[in-house]
Parts: sequence; structure tokens; C-alpha cells
Amino acid sequence: DTQMTQSPSTLSASVGDRVTITCRASQSISLWVAWYQQKPGKTPRLLIYRASILESGVPSRFSGSGSGTEFTLTISSLQPDDFATYYCQQYVSFPLTFGGGTKVEIK
Amino acid sequence: QLQLVQSGAEVKEPGASVKVSCKASRDIFISYYIHWVRQAPAQGLEWVAMFNPRSGSTTYAQNFQGRVTMTRDTSTATVYMELFSLKSEDTAVYYCVRNGAGHNYFDLWGQGTLISVSS
Repeated sequence: DTQMTQSPSTLSASVGDRVTITCRASQSISLWVAWYQQKPGKTPRLLIYRASILESGVPSRFSGSGSGTEFTLTISSLQPDDFATYYCQQYVSFPLTFGGGTKVEIK
Repeated sequence: QLQLVQSGAEVKEPGASVKVSCKASRDIFISYYIHWVRQAPAQGLEWVAMFNPRSGSTTYAQNFQGRVTMTRDTSTATVYMELFSLKSEDTAVYYCVRNGAGHNYFDLWGQGTLISVSS
């Protein structure tokens, strides 16, 4: 199985900050990673797929990068609506696996 | 309108089984795979299985092999997930989700179904 390790698990930041979340895969997954945002009590929302492609309707302050085993999700200027938990997911092979999540909190 | 609508919350005793439904819009049913993902309280996301509504074929996560069955009703475009021999650790919100175009990321989520297992 491909393990996905996210860091940090919790991140405290202020509105306007640049935020970076990292996801490391236990083996190469090429570009086959997606990122999701989940707010409390809500369903997850797809932000990015194929490492860097922004899903339709997602604000351009979100971006993704990386390949192989290391990937990042960046929020260029954190907005109040962005305080949430973020998950990465690999989809190169079964079983599909998620990172443990990164909770972005208000500093 | 593209959507996935799930059945309501259920409470079950350990050892029982539960069947969750996911009614898909016709376009989804005929063109996409349906996955199930679960999330235990205050925990992360866990993939359960992938289901092909056209053929009825399923790919399961090893953790659920032999304990979960996927079926469908083509007349109503509904997919079912049945989980057997429930344990307290199965308490979670179960989501049916649609895969993205040709790849197994998830671009459309059902509203989720809370399954609580408790004696």
C-alpha cells in the first residue's frame, strides 16, 4: 500500500499568510495526487487533482505542486473561508489512500 | 443535475449488518465509477471500495474484503453498500462519491450517511 504522510498535522496562521502543506508518498506516485478541503460537519471538496490542476470554481489562491513522492498545497493568501482541514490522496494504485489531514487554525 | 443522494442515518448493534443506498443521477450511473469512503468521528478519510454500476464489478480495500458487498438497481440508478458483522470501529460517516474523469480522485460527494454501532 502507498502511505501518504501529511505535515504538519495542525497549522496556526493568520488571514493573509502564505500557507504550505506537505504530503509525502511512501513510493513514487508520479502526479497522481489530489487535495481536498473539509470544513466541520461538511463533505470534503476537491481542490486540486493531478498534483497541480485546479478544480473548476476553486479560487486561484490555491495551488499544488510536486511529483514523485513529495507534494505541496499552497494557499497564497489565507482567507477566513480557508480555515478547514486539508487532505491529500493518491490515486495511482489500489488501495486508494489519504493523508492524515492538516487542520488550518486561526492564529 | 448531477448528484448523489444517500439514505439516512442508522443505529445498529454489534454483529448486525447495514445497507446504505446512494441514488445517482442517470448521467453518473451510466458514465462513472462510484466509490465509498468513510470517516470515523474526528478522524481522517478511508477508502472502502470502488464499484462499476454498469458491470457490477467491485474493487475492495483489503480491510473490508469479505465484509462488504456492493450492489445496484439499474432501474432506479441506485447503488447499495452492505456492511456485515458490524463493530464499534465501523461507526463513521459513509460517503458515496463519484470519480473524476477517468481517474480515481473524487469530484462529487454524496451528503454522507452516519452509521452508529453501539450496544
